[in-house]
Amino acid sequence: NAGVTQTPKFQVLKTGQSMTLQCAQDMNHNSMYWYRQDPGMGLRLIYYSASEGTTDKGEVPNGYNVSRLNKREFSLRLESAAPSQTSVYFCASGASGVYNEQFFGPGTRLTVL
Amino acid sequence: GENVEQHPSTLSVQEGDSAVIKCTYSDSASNYFPWYKQELGKGPQLIIDIRSNVGEKKDQRIAVTLNKTAKHFSLHITETQPEDSAVYFCAAPFKAAGNKLTFGGGTRVLVKP
Repeated sequence: NAGVTQTPKFQVLKTGQSMTLQCAQDMNHNSMYWYRQDPGMGLRLIYYSASEGTTDKGEVPNGYNVSRLNKREFSLRLESAAPSQTSVYFCASGASGVYNEQFFGPGTRLTVL
Repeated sequence: GENVEQHPSTLSVQEGDSAVIKCTYSDSASNYFPWYKQELGKGPQLIIDIRSNVGEKKDQRIAVTLNKTAKHFSLHITETQPEDSAVYFCAAPFKAAGNKLTFGGGTRVLVKP
């Protein structure tokens, strides 16, 4: 099992450009999450999907959109990138049982110039 | 929302010594407390978790203790080794927000040989 995979690993954008971060999991999990990690800020939830066909905002959703394409895949889109979106983005998945075990991907390091 | 405080933010120990990281949480309904280890350039990896029906859990050199009355839980690493050097995150679910995890700010552990 590959677990949670993310593409790309690195990306540099100019302000105003758009891009989509891809995430896939092969653990048959219902829930998937997108986090951003900034220095000294820990992990902050951007969006999540409790099951296929549903998505909800997290703590910091502004400037982002998501799509739960199917049970395996959950993408994060930046429509008009801003320097404040420079961060490391992590996707996670979980079985969404009573206990919210989550497993993380390797991350995408995004720089917006 | 759930608030998770983690201390210390940095911890330097001599190889072979013990390391202890403490987290406090605010939601008394929280029932699951995971710990993640993040090595440089990688995603967080779940290393141990504890559920609210037990007070302590061990896995080789790592252990987690939970005090539900005081609303705090701690990670203990014994006989530290250089490969234990990493950033460690605690987390707790926020029941009123669908059990979404709130993460502590992280502890950077350095094990000196």
